Amino acid sequence: DTAVSQTPKYLVTQMGNDKSIKCEQNLGHDTMYWYKQDSKKFLKIMFSYNNKELIINETVPNRFSPKSPDKAHLNLHINSLELGDSAVYFCASSRDRVAYEQYFGPGTRLTVT
Amino acid sequence: SQQGEEDPQALSIQEGENATMNCSYKTSINNLQWYRQNSGRGLVHLILIRSNEREKHSGRLRVTLDTSKKSSSLLITASRAADTASYFCASGQGGSEKLVFGKGMKLTVNP
Repeated sequence: DTAVSQTPKYLVTQMGNDKSIKCEQNLGHDTMYWYKQDSKKFLKIMFSYNNKELIINETVPNRFSPKSPDKAHLNLHINSLELGDSAVYFCASSRDRVAYEQYFGPGTRLTVT
Repeated sequence: SQQGEEDPQALSIQEGENATMNCSYKTSINNLQWYRQNSGRGLVHLILIRSNEREKHSGRLRVTLDTSKKSSSLLITASRAADTASYFCASGQGGSEKLVFGKGMKLTVNP
């Protein structure tokens, strides 16, 4: 009965590698998001998709590429990982594209060594 | 630019006491939301107050919004040890699809 799920929960990798994080929601929501939470707990939006269409693309390096195969899934692929990419990445979903309440996944802790 | 600054950044109280957290934001909003994050977990939505509302209640939570001062407060009454968490305000900006989160405030409720 998980609402928003992410895999993996932990990801440890070396600089220069490419990795992906997957997200799925079973709430029937139209909009999904990726957030990055840094070591100081600051939460910043990265991307948002509404019905598979990219609607928010914040100032994020091109190494980050989201992909939404359908409205229930939003994946995040990161190329050429850097030390500064270490953070917790959260997926979230909401009923529609307007800024109403969002449902968050459990997070993926990425550590780049 | 970062909007939503919670104040204080950390608060430690005894069980049974009330906890008040304040949030300030910078631009016009459609709504103001509060979220809770337990250690190592995702954020959980607590309450949403619309820009045309001044006060809202949900169980032990009371939220106020003062759009003239661009500020909101979250009051947790009769706190419990289980309320220990980080609390974030998030502003739903007018004309935008995104929420802008504050830096968060850590609440510790001692049993």
